[in-house]
Amino acid sequence: AQKITQTQPGMFVQEKEAVTLDCTYDTSDPSYGLFWYKQPSSGEMIFLIYQGSYDQQNATEGRYSLNFQKARKSANLVISASQLGDSAMYFCAMREGRAAGNKLTFGGGTRVLVKP
Amino acid sequence: DTAVSQTPKYLVTQMGNDKSIKCEQNLGHDTMYWYKQDSKKFLKIMFSYNNKELIINETVPNRFSPKSPDKAHLNLHINSLELGDSAVYFCASSQEGTPQETQYFGPGTRLLVL
Repeated sequence: AQKITQTQPGMFVQEKEAVTLDCTYDTSDPSYGLFWYKQPSSGEMIFLIYQGSYDQQNATEGRYSLNFQKARKSANLVISASQLGDSAMYFCAMREGRAAGNKLTFGGGTRVLVKP
Repeated sequence: DTAVSQTPKYLVTQMGNDKSIKCEQNLGHDTMYWYKQDSKKFLKIMFSYNNKELIINETVPNRFSPKSPDKAHLNLHINSLELGDSAVYFCASSQEGTPQETQYFGPGTRLLVL
């Protein structure tokens, strides 16, 4: 079974509107972290936001917020007031457990194109 | 003041050659990783090192040999390159024990095997 599933391969969003990127995960480990990364066309991986499994509140970082629904095992990224520079691939990732060197398991990504 | 750097950025080579990719981080982190991103953009862990010790070796062919001379460096040597090795290779680093243990990625090395 896929550990991280991003069901939206691509989506368009109008500039200045909000967009929600879906991410569901599967783990039996009670301690885990969820991450979102942005990969623009230039190719680098940019860390956006983090949500820990024990965090009581949804994470926010500027225009990024994470809609964390633990019982449903979902961690959707919301980008508010989209800008042209938000056009990129977005990856959801999970780290299970707290051991040193634990890997990130990535979803397949969602390509976002912001229209002017 | 680049946090995680990789060299080279691009690598074009013939099948059968041996090549190395270097990674350095100046964040003071104790853990480093290599990930491979294939042509469909799928990212998968290859190796992780913590304090120069190998932690993860994720069923990678033994043609790939990582080496960590110190905590700030993790190099990747690839022997007998094959067409299927063409991909983007990302180095990353993190600090054990921090609340998030966020992994910060280098810019990637685009490897093309002809």
